[in-house]
Amino acid sequence: QQQVKQSPQSLIVQKGGIPIINCAYENTAFDYFPWYQQFPGKGPALLIAIRPDVSEKKEGRFTISFNKSAKQFSLHIMDSQPGDSATYFCAAGGDAGNMLTFGGGTRLMVKP
Amino acid sequence: GAVVSQHPSRVICKSGTSVKIECRSLDFQATTMFWYRQFPKQSLMLMATSNEGSKATYEQGVEKDKFLINHASLTLSTLTVTSAHPEDSSFYICSATLGEANYGYTFGSGTRLTVV
Repeated sequence: QQQVKQSPQSLIVQKGGIPIINCAYENTAFDYFPWYQQFPGKGPALLIAIRPDVSEKKEGRFTISFNKSAKQFSLHIMDSQPGDSATYFCAAGGDAGNMLTFGGGTRLMVKP
Repeated sequence: GAVVSQHPSRVICKSGTSVKIECRSLDFQATTMFWYRQFPKQSLMLMATSNEGSKATYEQGVEKDKFLINHASLTLSTLTVTSAHPEDSSFYICSATLGEANYGYTFGSGTRLTVV
């Protein structure tokens, strides 16, 4: 599988802070970049996704920034809350129907 | 929205027995389903890709005779862990996709398998 590198592995922020999680990919054929949120003992849930024709996408408190030339994308969580404490995975893939390649995950803790 | 139902959520079995995990797409027909394995505090590792009516494609290092995948219909895929051993204990997650460019991947809730 082609690699998707995610950083940091873990992150602690205070409530209201803006955690930023970064991912970098290698395969220029990727054209779908989703972010997933996973709580312990649960399957991943799609948070937000972006395609390379835009540089930023915002949904609620979650924003993806995408830099096609650098082959990097990041997730920003505005006004973070303790309920956002979870593991976040970035992924990359081709059109739906092809497999996703996942980053290593970031364990986020938002302190009250 | 698209819903994928995965059962059971937890299963404990004895070494040497087989365990079947079901993954159903409830409100859409999934042309492709994926099975992942996740160890504690690690990322999802793709085990195999299954397309309805055809044989599954396994990732390198995954034993096809041990992890049997059947995708008999557009709404159901099953993963059978045969002759389970303690090292097979893990969190197994399925996902499904309709196969259209603007349709995302939907994940099941996962199955925690413990082999004793």
